[in-house]
Amino acid sequence: SQQGEEDPQALSIQEGENATMNCSYKTSINNLQWYRQNSGRGLVHLILIRSNEREKHSGRLRVTLDTSKKSSSLLITASRAADTASYFCGYPPLGTGTYKYIFGTGTRLKVLA
Amino acid sequence: DTGVSQDPRHKITKRGQNVTFRCDPISEHNRLYWYRQTLGQGPEFLTYFQNEAQLEKSRLLSDRFSAERPKGSFSTLEIQRTEQGDSAMYLCASSPDRVSTDTQYFGPGTRLTVL
Repeated sequence: SQQGEEDPQALSIQEGENATMNCSYKTSINNLQWYRQNSGRGLVHLILIRSNEREKHSGRLRVTLDTSKKSSSLLITASRAADTASYFCGYPPLGTGTYKYIFGTGTRLKVLA
Repeated sequence: DTGVSQDPRHKITKRGQNVTFRCDPISEHNRLYWYRQTLGQGPEFLTYFQNEAQLEKSRLLSDRFSAERPKGSFSTLEIQRTEQGDSAMYLCASSPDRVSTDTQYFGPGTRLTVL
């Protein structure tokens, strides 16, 4: 299976703390994206990082990419209750001629007020 | 709002019935995707359109599933003779046909429950 994996599967933190979640993928990629999904809703795009980038920031989000380890991490700083959601990494496998995304299993984040 | 829209948002049906879902992509997005998501899992790719051409289908898309995008704009996903295992969230996404932009933008999904 080409499916990636997020780690941890679930994370519970207090408001104001930082949350770090990791994504492992199995194929070569040219970009990787992080999405947020609130319960019962669609996926909301958060940030894209390309294979020639090592780190990217967007507001309270920081994403890193290590292509040698086939891993990426998403850091949410100063978390808020509204950050409670599931977070997924998604990527198109390189060299397959496909535009489909492979998604990981997700990290369920709960931020306690 | 010019985001991806899906209709209906929820569908409850009895086993054996046919259902059809609709997806309206962001205007001028040439690529359209369907994914299926079961509880506690990430989305799984079903099929993909470039304009009106269906270019890729997952093996998850059994003979009971059919998708169309007749005019290269909206798309429909039909499931015939539904089974309880079809219960899932069906997500549609679209993306522009530009080399430098790869982001897929998702709709709110259609939650299907087969009784």
